[in-house]
Amino acid sequence: QVQLVQAGAEVKKPGASVKVSCKVSGDTLNEVSIHWVRQTPGKELEWMGGFDPENDKGDSIYAQRFQGRVTMTEVTSTDTAYLEVRGLKFDDTAVYYCATAQNPLRGANFFDNWGQGTLVTVS
Amino acid sequence: DIQMTQSPSSLSASVGDRVTITCRASQRVDNWLAWYQQKPGKPPKLLISKASTLERGVPSRFSGSGSGTEFTLTISSLQPDDFATYFCQQCDSYPFTFGPGTKVDIK
Repeated sequence: QVQLVQAGAEVKKPGASVKVSCKVSGDTLNEVSIHWVRQTPGKELEWMGGFDPENDKGDSIYAQRFQGRVTMTEVTSTDTAYLEVRGLKFDDTAVYYCATAQNPLRGANFFDNWGQGTLVTVS
Repeated sequence: DIQMTQSPSSLSASVGDRVTITCRASQRVDNWLAWYQQKPGKPPKLLISKASTLERGVPSRFSGSGSGTEFTLTISSLQPDDFATYFCQQCDSYPFTFGPGTKVDIK
């Protein structure tokens, strides 16, 4: 059973950056496909990006609205994925979740395991 | 982007009621549609994938149907543990998008 454990809450000032971590256990990072989803205070769920099975270089694919401001990285030696968001704005205040996609090579990007979430407050 | 809508946005129901939630996509997503359940302070939980495939461990009172642009989640007999918010999600094309949610509470 894959488990995703995220770091604790962060408080940042506008314009700062935040890096959220997501540690994989029960499997290795090489065997799962990590995506990032955030949930706004109004409870809206927004997909930010994640593993792209069609990218030969292993780069993530990003939602256009976050392109250029967000970077997703992975450190396989520690089975930890990271989401960095730069140029934080007040409306980036949200709970940020990492999640695994069920079977992306077959198009099944349904998110079957979720981290507990990291609250990022921009204030 | 594919816009997902859900109806109703909220509903009140009693234990034992049959509950149906509708999700509509702004363009065809075939059966690349999932349903999630979320309780306060917890991450979403995948209930149904590919529009109608019940995930392991999910009670059989949950069912999903539909294809193309219109989908339904049905709870055949609402139980106390089912009071939560339900979201649909499409993964037919990028960016993946979620519906706004349907909150099910106790009448």
